[in-house]
Amino acid sequence: QVQLQESGPGLVKPSQTLSLTCTVSGGSISSGSYYWNWIRQHPGKGLEWIAYTSYTGNTYYNPSLKSLVTISVDTSKNQFSLKLTSVTAADTAVYYCARLVNWGRGDTFDIWGQGTMVTVSS
Amino acid sequence: DIQMTQSPSSLSASVGDRVTITCRASQSINIYLNWYQRRPGKAPKLLIYAASSLQSGVPSRFSGSGSGTDFTLTINSLQPEDFATYYCQQSLSTPMFTFGQGTKLEIK
Repeated sequence: QVQLQESGPGLVKPSQTLSLTCTVSGGSISSGSYYWNWIRQHPGKGLEWIAYTSYTGNTYYNPSLKSLVTISVDTSKNQFSLKLTSVTAADTAVYYCARLVNWGRGDTFDIWGQGTMVTVSS
Repeated sequence: DIQMTQSPSSLSASVGDRVTITCRASQSINIYLNWYQRRPGKAPKLLIYAASSLQSGVPSRFSGSGSGTDFTLTINSLQPEDFATYYCQQSLSTPMFTFGQGTKLEIK
């Protein structure tokens, strides 16, 4: 059973870079036609899709965040990562990693991590 | 972006009740609609994909219906573990996925 686990600092200072990692266990990040995603949820708000990567490094970003975000994959470690630069209080959120699959009837996030809370504060 | 609107935003019900949550898209999304459950401290869980297909391992008391712009998630005979927050998500405009704001299901 594939599982995802986010890791990273719980507190980041304004203007710094937030770095998060998602570790994939129970299966290879390189197997199957999956895309590996970051999604966040601001306190009291809805879910916001941030970016995805394939295991080959094909990426796509939410245009509203594209200039600040980099997603990358490390197949040797079975991990993918997110970097968000110049953070502000508006980046305070729970960050989730999730696997995206297409079963022929649309794209679906079939596996999620538990999420990690990130607070931006001095 | 395709906007997704859920109603109600919160709902109180009792164990054994039947509840329905609605999700409306700002434009037609065919059947490209998924439902997720999020319980505190747990990973979000896929319940329904493609509007009405039950994800493997999900109890049959969960069902989804709809197409175009209007969709529903129905939970029959509520169980204690069903009290959670539910989200819809459209996948027509991939990869610009958008989610509903969530419906919090609470115990009455």
